[in-house]
Amino acid sequence: EAGVVQSPRYKIIEKKQPVAFWCNPISGHNTLYWYRQNLGQGPELLIRYENEEAVDDSQLPKDRFSAERLKGVDSTLKIQPAELGDSAVYLCASSPRTSGRVETQYFGPGTRLLVL
Amino acid sequence: GDSVTQMEGPVTLSEEAFLTINCTYTATGYPSLFWYVQYPGEGLQLLLKATKADDKGSNKGFEATYRKETTSFHLEKGSVQVSDSAVYFCALSTDNAGGTSYGKLTFGQGTILTVHP
Repeated sequence: EAGVVQSPRYKIIEKKQPVAFWCNPISGHNTLYWYRQNLGQGPELLIRYENEEAVDDSQLPKDRFSAERLKGVDSTLKIQPAELGDSAVYLCASSPRTSGRVETQYFGPGTRLLVL
Repeated sequence: GDSVTQMEGPVTLSEEAFLTINCTYTATGYPSLFWYVQYPGEGLQLLLKATKADDKGSNKGFEATYRKETTSFHLEKGSVQVSDSAVYFCALSTDNAGGTSYGKLTFGQGTILTVHP
């Protein structure tokens, strides 16, 4: 079974430029997450989708970040314009959504962003 | 809010040494607890988990027991190998079915483990 796929793996841009990250979750997983991992820290949730609906975007900086999950499968996370402080690893994860206890999340390899 | 605190790192051990990485948490609900591992150049992988008090999660020789009375989930391994060198993250997720925080993982800062031959 294929895992969570992310692209690109690395991205270097100048500040004020736009950037987009793409994620393809594990087939059949209804829930999709975007996390940001700063250097030397654990990941922090940016947004969570249930199918195509964003059900938790409280940590997403909405002035410059946007995300979409059309058709409830692939997802794109965008930053416009990027700032120096956005340099981080952006992780996508997915999990099956069932009633009851929390399901295990499966992570992609991440996109490492460097803003110059 | 929820939080996870891991022991300060990095940790450096010789092969076959005993490993303990401490993890404590605070949570508003009844959390599930996880250890994730990140090998060099790879993504986060679930190592083990426990969903209720006194449960023991285990995998690849690693173990951790859910201690509700001390709000802890310490990771242990009796004999580490060079291949265990990685970053280890303790995390929790609150079972708040139907709430907006459902399924959100809260991570500790990570502990770098280096094992020398």
